[in-house]
Amino acid sequence: RKEVEQDPGPFNVPEGATVAFNCTYSNSASQSFFWYRQDCRKEPKLLMSVYSSGNEDGRFTAQLNRASQYISLLIRDSKLSDSATYLCVVNRRGSQGNLIFGKGTKLSVKP
Amino acid sequence: NAGVTQTPKFQVLKTGQSMTLQCAQDMNHNSMYWYRQDPGMGLRLIYYSASEGTTDKGEVPNGYNVSRLNKREFSLRLESAAPSQTSVYFCASSGRTGGDEKLFFGSGTQLSVL
Repeated sequence: RKEVEQDPGPFNVPEGATVAFNCTYSNSASQSFFWYRQDCRKEPKLLMSVYSSGNEDGRFTAQLNRASQYISLLIRDSKLSDSATYLCVVNRRGSQGNLIFGKGTKLSVKP
Repeated sequence: NAGVTQTPKFQVLKTGQSMTLQCAQDMNHNSMYWYRQDPGMGLRLIYYSASEGTTDKGEVPNGYNVSRLNKREFSLRLESAAPSQTSVYFCASSGRTGGDEKLFFGSGTQLSVL
């Protein structure tokens, strides 16, 4: 099993749609969790951290289920500008430098 | 505040040539990283440096060397480039903000080895 697995995508949705991405991780010692966004031919940028209690930032909601080793990202009211690849990132406990990236899920929001 | 700056943005090498990718950060971060990103493979860690004077291998270190010149700078060297090293390379640094250790990336170097 890969250490971090994401929905294969691509997701093609109309503007205004709600879309959810899922991510599972295999190492139960994982400590921190993040969603990064990467535009085509650009560097990844932090979208949001993921906390155990769940957290929201505008139209974006992230959730963590430690028991199931599962992370999700929900985007409400999708905009054209949300089109990008979304990377799930997991930090292993006690392992400096061991931020493990999922392969990413590509989202295309259409007019 | 430039964040993480890496050079060059593009490079074409012939097999066997050498080159150094430069990276500098102005956020006073202790940790710095070099990743490569290939289609279908995601981001993979080549080397990282937890602090000035230390470096450690990541997932795919073969064919690369690194130098943590000072707190700001972390360079990646290809001594004898191979076509398998054709990739997009990202430098990153990490710092603790809001309780989490967060990564900040440079804009990337697209390297082609012919």
